[in-house]
Amino acid sequence: TQLLEQSPQFLSIQEGENLTVYCNSSSVFSSLQWYRQEPGEGPVLLVTVVTGGEVKKLKRLTFQFGDARKDSSLHITAAQPGDTGLYLCAGVRVSGSRLTFGEGTQLTVNP
Amino acid sequence: DAGVIQSPRHEVTEMGQEVTLRCKPISGHNSLFWYRQTMMRGLELLIYFNNNVPIDDSGMPEDRFSAKMPNASFSTLKIQPSEPRDSAVYFCASSLAGGAKWSYTFGSGTRLTVV
Repeated sequence: TQLLEQSPQFLSIQEGENLTVYCNSSSVFSSLQWYRQEPGEGPVLLVTVVTGGEVKKLKRLTFQFGDARKDSSLHITAAQPGDTGLYLCAGVRVSGSRLTFGEGTQLTVNP
Repeated sequence: DAGVIQSPRHEVTEMGQEVTLRCKPISGHNSLFWYRQTMMRGLELLIYFNNNVPIDDSGMPEDRFSAKMPNASFSTLKIQPSEPRDSAVYFCASSLAGGAKWSYTFGSGTRLTVV
């Protein structure tokens, strides 16, 4: 069983559409992060959220940390082909010190 | 800053051979992590170091895997002997540890194929 469950695992949409990716857990996290990974490269950090209910925006990307700090979501508005990639959530549990990754959501945005 | 540097980028080796993967973390970062990524299991933490000291190696699959960090600017992950099931992409990441806002910088990875 994965500590962090991401859904959906795969998402293929047309340019201009909106989408939301979810990251859920039964554990409480002191922080949650979102990374994007492109083929042949390592994951690149997009954002870190640390406060329950926190919302952060990065251009067309909106990240939210759940009130109970057990879940997070990533919303992309008007997706573009350049958004294509593997989106990974990762968290540090309140009781832990290591960053654990979800399995990722593979997003494909078709022109 | 050159980022986290891993070498080699690709490695193809025969079963039973020794494989050594190398990593140079970002200067000033005091934590270093080795991850393995496969389609089946995603990103798995193998081991991490803090101030060159191994802190948690519970993710190391078995005794065939070993990791060292002789100084703050260099780490190795060794597999001996290698097996086909070790085929994966191995990532090194470094971070300035502290608090909840861990910010990891990953290298570009080493794609290992054991035939």
